[in-house]
Amino acid sequence: KNQVEQSPQSLIILEGKNCTLQCNYTVSPFSNLRWYKQDTGRGPVSLTIMTFSENTKSNGRYTATLDADTKQSSLHITASQLSDSASYICVVSDEYGNKLVFGAGTILRVKS
Amino acid sequence: KAGVTQTPRYLIKTRGQQVTLSCSPISGHRSVSWYQQTPGQGLQFLFEYFSETQRNKGNFPGRFSGRQFSNSRSEMNVSTLELGDSALYLCASARDYSYEQYFGPGTRLTVT
Repeated sequence: KNQVEQSPQSLIILEGKNCTLQCNYTVSPFSNLRWYKQDTGRGPVSLTIMTFSENTKSNGRYTATLDADTKQSSLHITASQLSDSASYICVVSDEYGNKLVFGAGTILRVKS
Repeated sequence: KAGVTQTPRYLIKTRGQQVTLSCSPISGHRSVSWYQQTPGQGLQFLFEYFSETQRNKGNFPGRFSGRQFSNSRSEMNVSTLELGDSALYLCASARDYSYEQYFGPGTRLTVT
């Protein structure tokens, strides 16, 4: 069964600190892996999209890594800000990009 | 460029009623996907439309249906509402399914 598991479920960090969120998946073969940020009460916003041949991608203070061999991805947030408080969702699409499998998300809270 | 718009933003219905939600995609986007998001289940895929045809469908009962018009606007309908249908319903548009999806703000449906 195609699954995407994210860890931790929730995380609290101090403003200015770095953090790393994990995503493990069983979708195989897959087309691409996406990280989304979802603020409370809003729709998700795309942070990065990586194909199986890419192993790192950055978007400002967000850096995603992908290891297609171990089927693991991570999202690293540098110098966290209060506005980073949100849910971060990992999504993997199947080989043809037709089916998206969503992780349950990691809720990040950045406090001052 | 205008984003994805969803109407209404909030809705309260009674069990047994039916409801229709609307989604206007970004201009030029022909793929529209619908998702249900609940605290316990996370984001779950309902269906995807491309050029007025349903191309993919998730594992939801037949009470959930949708359609897409020639201008790519989409509607989803839920008949015989149940308490468990209370959720945030998100619409996402893309040039095609494998491209980056842009989410709308969602419609918060409460069934009493």
